[in-house]
Amino acid sequence: QQQVKQSPQSLIVQKGGISIINCAYENTAFDYFPWYQQFPGKGPALLIAIRPDVSEKKEGRFTISFNKSAKQFSLHIMDSQPGDSATYFCAASKYNQGGKLIFGQGTELSVKP
Amino acid sequence: DAGVIQSPRHEVTEMGQEVTLRCKPISGHDYLFWYRQTMMRGLELLIYFNNNVPIDDSGMPEDRFSAKMPNASFSTLKIQPSEPRDSAVYFCASSLWRKTVTDTQYFGPGTRLTVL
Repeated sequence: QQQVKQSPQSLIVQKGGISIINCAYENTAFDYFPWYQQFPGKGPALLIAIRPDVSEKKEGRFTISFNKSAKQFSLHIMDSQPGDSATYFCAASKYNQGGKLIFGQGTELSVKP
Repeated sequence: DAGVIQSPRHEVTEMGQEVTLRCKPISGHDYLFWYRQTMMRGLELLIYFNNNVPIDDSGMPEDRFSAKMPNASFSTLKIQPSEPRDSAVYFCASSLWRKTVTDTQYFGPGTRLTVL
């Protein structure tokens, strides 16, 4: 019940295209869903996050879509750029656990020029 | 702010040796997390502290691993004795958790551990 499943494991997108990464969770008590971005040799950094009271959140080229009934959420990167090439992690947590995050397995995104 | 500071950045040791990883969280943060990252297992939470008190150590793989937080500005993760399967990147992260959507964990640069 603590798992967060992420797909695909790797993704290659052409510059200007849309990158889509999907995550599914089992624990209905999760109420916070962040996405982290990690560049080689660096620690993960928060990209965007959503609470389940909204179905979508957009920040610049990055959008989270959230489907509470399906227990799924996804990250969309519009107009993907080579600088977006990184590993992306979805995560989930219960707020009463002080931000303890359960991470997905990660998606390695490569944006080709 | 200097961010989360970890030392050393790289550690190479031989099997059986004791390894100590160090972390200085961001000043004022009340949560501290230790993670391990490997290709096979991804990013795993090992243990986390709130106000210097360990809250959940269910991710600590075995008794060879121990973590302490003697004060709000310092934490250690110790492996004794180390084994080759402990080779991984170990991250420390800290947060100030106030239940807002902008809350986040700030990760350090990690310590790459190689056990020969």
